[in-house]
Amino acid sequence: SYELTQPLSVSVALGQTAKITCGGNNIGSKNVHWYQQKPGQAPVLVIYRDSNRPSGIPERFSGSNSGNTATLTISRAQAGDEADYYCQVWDSSTVFGGGTKLTVL
Amino acid sequence: QLQLQESGPGLVKPSETLSLTCTVSGGSISSSGYNWGWVRQPPGKGLEWIGNIYYSGSTFYNPSLKSRVTISVDTSKNQFSLKLSSVTAADTAVYYCARLMLYQLLPNWIDPWGQGTLVTVSS
Repeated sequence: SYELTQPLSVSVALGQTAKITCGGNNIGSKNVHWYQQKPGQAPVLVIYRDSNRPSGIPERFSGSNSGNTATLTISRAQAGDEADYYCQVWDSSTVFGGGTKLTVL
Repeated sequence: QLQLQESGPGLVKPSETLSLTCTVSGGSISSSGYNWGWVRQPPGKGLEWIGNIYYSGSTFYNPSLKSRVTISVDTSKNQFSLKLSSVTAADTAVYYCARLMLYQLLPNWIDPWGQGTLVTVSS
């Protein structure tokens, strides 16, 4: 079965840029989606199909996908961006990464 | 605005069947272009996909749960349901219902999600 690998945690200084990676075999050939989940809340879609933002998601959120790594980039990080982030693909089934906890210092 | 709401017992005994229903409002479950699915999250852990269904009844299931899972749809009530049999403590989780967008005829991104409901398996 297909596996997605995310770092357990990423830290970023307030106002700086955070990058959260999602690794998978030839993930660049797949459509990658990203979700933000704050404590006690349901996940929220922040990026779909590698780099598309749903309406209402700030332009500070962007995505890229190539080779064996997809990346979620959060520019000008804010305290409100502290959350768990999950990547997801379809590969004969829906697969989630293990999640990354983003801390804004 | 599309909304999804889970309902069902919050406590299930070991070896019994967990049953949840998701009610869709603000849109039709019979719309083409979507699947309707379930995702769960054990306390303090990550997301696990359970399965999803098209309004016509065709389903996709997580291979690791397939033998115990049944997802069904009731278009007349704009609802879909989850049954998970022979539950153990390992099935204790927040269960989310959600809409999956079809892209190139396959289920892809998930939006929106229900608020989630905690189901505890305990005697």
